[in-house]
Amino acid sequence: GDSVTQMEGPVTLSEEAFLTINCTYTATGYPSLFWYVQYPGEGLQLLLKATKADDKGSNKGFEATYRKETTSFHLEKGSVQVSDSAVYFCALSDLFRGAQKLVFGQGTRLTINP
Amino acid sequence: GAVVSQHPSWVICKSGTSVKIECRSLDFQATTMFWYRQFPKQSLMLMATSNEGSKATYEQGVEKDKFLINHASLTLSTLTVTSAHPEDSSFYICSAREGEGPYEQYFGPGTRLTVT
Repeated sequence: GDSVTQMEGPVTLSEEAFLTINCTYTATGYPSLFWYVQYPGEGLQLLLKATKADDKGSNKGFEATYRKETTSFHLEKGSVQVSDSAVYFCALSDLFRGAQKLVFGQGTRLTINP
Repeated sequence: GAVVSQHPSWVICKSGTSVKIECRSLDFQATTMFWYRQFPKQSLMLMATSNEGSKATYEQGVEKDKFLINHASLTLSTLTVTSAHPEDSSFYICSAREGEGPYEQYFGPGTRLTVT
C-alpha cells in the first residue's frame, strides 16, 4: 500500500541555519503531497502542498517540490527561526477504494536553538 | 482559520472502563470527520472516517465494537473507547473536513489517553 518515509529526528539546528527534512513516498496512484506542522499543544496545520509533478509548494519561507522521478517531497528553508521549532509531518493523499485519505510519515521533531 | 477542538485533552481511566472523546468544529460545518491514533514517535494512523448522520467507516484492523464513533451533528463527533485496556493508551487525534478534498482537513490538538 501507499506509504511515506521521513528522515528520522530529532533535528537540532542553530537559528539562521539551512533546513532540509527529507521525505519519500510510495503510491499506487498519482497522489497529492503535503507538509503539516504541529506546534506544541496545537493541532496539525497544513504548511504547504503540491498536487502534480514539478509543482513547488511554499509558505512561511518553507518550500518543497514534487519530484515524481525520485518520489520525493523534501522540505527546505533557507534560514530557520526559533519559532519554527515543531514537529513536521510529510503526507500524501490518494484514492483508497473510492475515498480520499491521508497517509502520514512518522514526523520529524525540529528544535531551533537561538 | 477553521478551528477544531477536542475534549478532554488528557484522560486517565482504569482498565475495563469506557471513555468518551469529543471532537468539535467550532466555526464551520464538518461533513466528514476523521479519527487518528498516534503512538510515540510514530505517524498518525487513520482509524475511521465518519460522515454526519451515517455509520462510520473503519479501517482494516480497527475494532468497530471497541472504538465507537458517533457523528450526530455537523459540528460534533465522539469516539468512545469501550472496555479500555492498557494497550489502548495512545494519542487520539480528530480532524474535520469542510468541503471536498483532503487538504481541507482541520486537525484538533489531540487527546492523550492513559489506561491504568
